[in-house]
Amino acid sequence: GAGVSQSPSNKVTEKGKDVELRCDPISGHTALYWYRQSLGQGLEFLIYFQGNSAPDKSGLPSDRFSAERTGGSVSTLTIQRTQQEDSAVYLCASSSLAGISYEQYFGPGTRLTVT
Amino acid sequence: AQSVTQLGSHVSVSEGALVLLRCNYSSSVPPYLFWYVQYPNQGLQLLLKYTSAATLVKGINGFEAEFKKSETSFHLTKPSAHMSDAAEYFCAVTNAGGTSYGKLTFGQGTILTVHP
Repeated sequence: GAGVSQSPSNKVTEKGKDVELRCDPISGHTALYWYRQSLGQGLEFLIYFQGNSAPDKSGLPSDRFSAERTGGSVSTLTIQRTQQEDSAVYLCASSSLAGISYEQYFGPGTRLTVT
Repeated sequence: AQSVTQLGSHVSVSEGALVLLRCNYSSSVPPYLFWYVQYPNQGLQLLLKYTSAATLVKGINGFEAEFKKSETSFHLTKPSAHMSDAAEYFCAVTNAGGTSYGKLTFGQGTILTVHP
């Protein structure tokens, strides 16, 4: 079946612009995670959604970052007023249920470059 | 709090040689540990996981890892490297308690190069 998909695969934006990154999880997966992969910080957790529960936003680096998940499926990560330090690969993962027993399936990522 | 340290950002081996990628963890509660592989321009793929069952865990592509609590280690090994093993490998930790929800804390990654 289809895996996790992310769009766009690459995004180049100017400093100060807003960007939206999209994640389509595997159908039926209730848990969705966003991670960021950058040269300086490695792989970092950003935010987690599970069903209709309030999201865990504890990894978001600043209030310029926000995410939503509509209808328990597609998720959008929005970065406002982008800065050069936001340049990174943004990875999305989904799993059938939250918790360590359920493997997280990762998408190919969106490479964001802020110029 | 939990953390992962991967010793060696780059490891180079010859085809057919033993692969050993080192991972040490720190966790205040019993950990669950994972190894992921990332091929260029792709997402992460789970190789294997330790979730408090057997300490020797076998994964895909001939890889295995052994959980050693006394050494706080979870090193990844493969007896004989193949060219197709060239990739970046990440060790990650989480735990089942509190509000972890399975969110992963990753090491810095180790790039494995395999020479013919």
